[in-house]
Amino acid sequence: AQKVTQAQTEISVVEKEDVTLDCVYETRDTTYYLFWYKQPPSGELVFLIRRNSFDEQNEISGRYSWNFQKSTSSFNFTITASQVVDSAVYFCALSRGSGNTGKLIFGQGTTLQVKP
Amino acid sequence: DAGVTQSPTHLIKTRGQQVTLRCSPKSGHDTVSWYQQALGQGPQFIFQYYEEEERQRGNFPDRFSGHQFPNYSSELNVNALLLGDSALYLCASSFRVRGGKNIQYFGAGTRLSVL
Repeated sequence: AQKVTQAQTEISVVEKEDVTLDCVYETRDTTYYLFWYKQPPSGELVFLIRRNSFDEQNEISGRYSWNFQKSTSSFNFTITASQVVDSAVYFCALSRGSGNTGKLIFGQGTTLQVKP
Repeated sequence: DAGVTQSPTHLIKTRGQQVTLRCSPKSGHDTVSWYQQALGQGPQFIFQYYEEEERQRGNFPDRFSGHQFPNYSSELNVNALLLGDSALYLCASSFRVRGGKNIQYFGAGTRLSVL
């Protein structure tokens, strides 16, 4: 069975602090995909990144960076120099590889509050 | 280029009633997925439509049904509403790629309250 766990329910930081959101996943598949989405108060899930199981390279996009480690089944997300606009709920998600039409399995989400 | 649009934004129903939610996919997308997000939870997959057929289904009862039209838009129908059906219903569209790597783009959702 596939499962995604985001152990941090809520995180509160002060602006300009760095913050890391944890994501641990479970799957028996050798091919799978991992995603991060951001959900602001408006409700729409905003796509941030997709990573496949064969690519363990870390990725950096501006203030965002992602650390994928298959050895620990983790796909953590770091925001550097956080800003108030980063306040949102962040979801990590998993989809199977072969034989899958794209069903996403989400974690419970981590609510990030960035205070000025 | 319009993104994924859903209607209505809010809906209030009573137990036992039926409801229809609508979704228009992002331009160029041919696949629509529906998710239910209860308060404080992550979205749960309901089902996915491609070529006007249900292709994959999550653990939801038959009270939940859907439809996809030739223009790729989709409807989600829920019959015999229960209090527990109160949630945010999210529609996601994508361009079909086998293997689960397709990126799904989400609408802002329909907030359903069942009284």
